[in-house]
Amino acid sequence: QITLKESGPTLVRPTQTLTLTCSFSGFSLTTTGVGVGWIRQPPGKALECLALIYGDDDKQYSPSLKSRLTVTKDTSKNQVILTMTNMDPLDTATYFCAHRQTLGGLIVVPFDYWGQGILVTVSS
Amino acid sequence: EIVLTQSPGTLSLSPGDRATLSCRASESLSSSYLAWYQQKPGQAPKLLIYGASSRATGIPDRFSGSGYGTDFTLTINRLAPEDFAVYYCHQYRYSPRYTFGQGTKVEIK
Repeated sequence: QITLKESGPTLVRPTQTLTLTCSFSGFSLTTTGVGVGWIRQPPGKALECLALIYGDDDKQYSPSLKSRLTVTKDTSKNQVILTMTNMDPLDTATYFCAHRQTLGGLIVVPFDYWGQGILVTVSS
Repeated sequence: EIVLTQSPGTLSLSPGDRATLSCRASESLSSSYLAWYQQKPGQAPKLLIYGASSRATGIPDRFSGSGYGTDFTLTINRLAPEDFAVYYCHQYRYSPRYTFGQGTKVEIK
């Protein structure tokens, strides 16, 4: 049974750095084709993919946010950490982490398991 | 960046009706790297369809997806009360520029 859960601060000040942790179980992030992504959703708005990290440590970032994002994994703790620098009120959103896999090395199954999300508010 | 345009913005239907949702991509997704998600208020999105037409684990067969290239459709046959929600399409063809559509709300008429 795959589960994921986000944790971190729910309030950050403008210009601060946000650090979120995704704790997961039921899969290994050392397996080829397995990945964990971060997706955010501003209140009442659509979803935006921020970053992905794979079992082989390949990392991918949204081009528009790449300069502000870092994603890492701690396989011993089954955790993925996202940092976002220089937070702005426009970054207020629910942040989700989600599991992604490739079946048989060919068929990509995107974001099939999600955490509950964490609402992060950026305000002074 | 690939833009996904969903239509209509809102669909007002009754339980038992058929819902047809559209997603158009600004560039071809070729091998059907298109997924559909359902999201209810206060919940995470739930994967319904991937590869344009493959149902995710545990998804009822009243949900079906079709399409190729730039035009994709999610069909929900015989709407159940629990199907009233917001639906998003998602392209995962062009890494790392994964994008989502703006959503279609299926509401009770």
